[in-house]
Amino acid sequence: AQKVTQAQTEISVVEKEDVTLDCVYETRDTTYYLFWYKQPPSGELVFLIRRNSFDEQNEISGRYSWNFQKSTSSFNFTITASQVVDSAVYFCALSEGSNYQLIWGAGTKLIIKP
Amino acid sequence: DARVTQTPRHKVTEMGQEVTMRCQPILGHNTVFWYRQTMMQGLELLAYFRNRAPLDDSGMPKDRFSAEMPDATLATLKIQPSEPRDSAVYFCASGLDSWLAGSTTQYFGPGTRLTVL
Repeated sequence: AQKVTQAQTEISVVEKEDVTLDCVYETRDTTYYLFWYKQPPSGELVFLIRRNSFDEQNEISGRYSWNFQKSTSSFNFTITASQVVDSAVYFCALSEGSNYQLIWGAGTKLIIKP
Repeated sequence: DARVTQTPRHKVTEMGQEVTMRCQPILGHNTVFWYRQTMMQGLELLAYFRNRAPLDDSGMPKDRFSAEMPDATLATLKIQPSEPRDSAVYFCASGLDSWLAGSTTQYFGPGTRLTVL
């Protein structure tokens, strides 16, 4: 059965610290896609990244980086030199094959203190 | 910067009233999704459209909810009659589905915060 686990319910760090949000997934498909979304206090859901199961290269975008490891079924998200504006709930999600359904993690609330 | 738009952003209504939420998907996208988000249930998929055809509405309470796409630029979600338990944030998302792309990346609108008194 497919499942996404974000074990960290809430993380609180001081500005400029690095922080890693964990995402562990379960799937039996060999073709699948992983996503991260950000939901700031204003409420909208913002797409951050999509990664397919055949591409294990890590991705870096400014202060954001993603570490995809099929061996541990993890797709972790790191924010380097965190800023107050990074405060949000971050969701990891999974879709299998061409299935339109997203399997969502419960989300991790990230609080960045000034 | 193409975005999904939703109206209204906030709606307060009384139990029993009809509520209509509207969504304009990103131009060129051929899939539309309606979600409901609550603290207790998280994000729930209510309906899915592809090329304006409803392909999945299994997440919707059939007796009171309905979703339509009158044209490619408008999707609507109606609740009639509304109940207090419908209070939630309703999101619309759109995406471009093609066999080349595999899974569709969903881009979300800002949501409609519904309060039913």
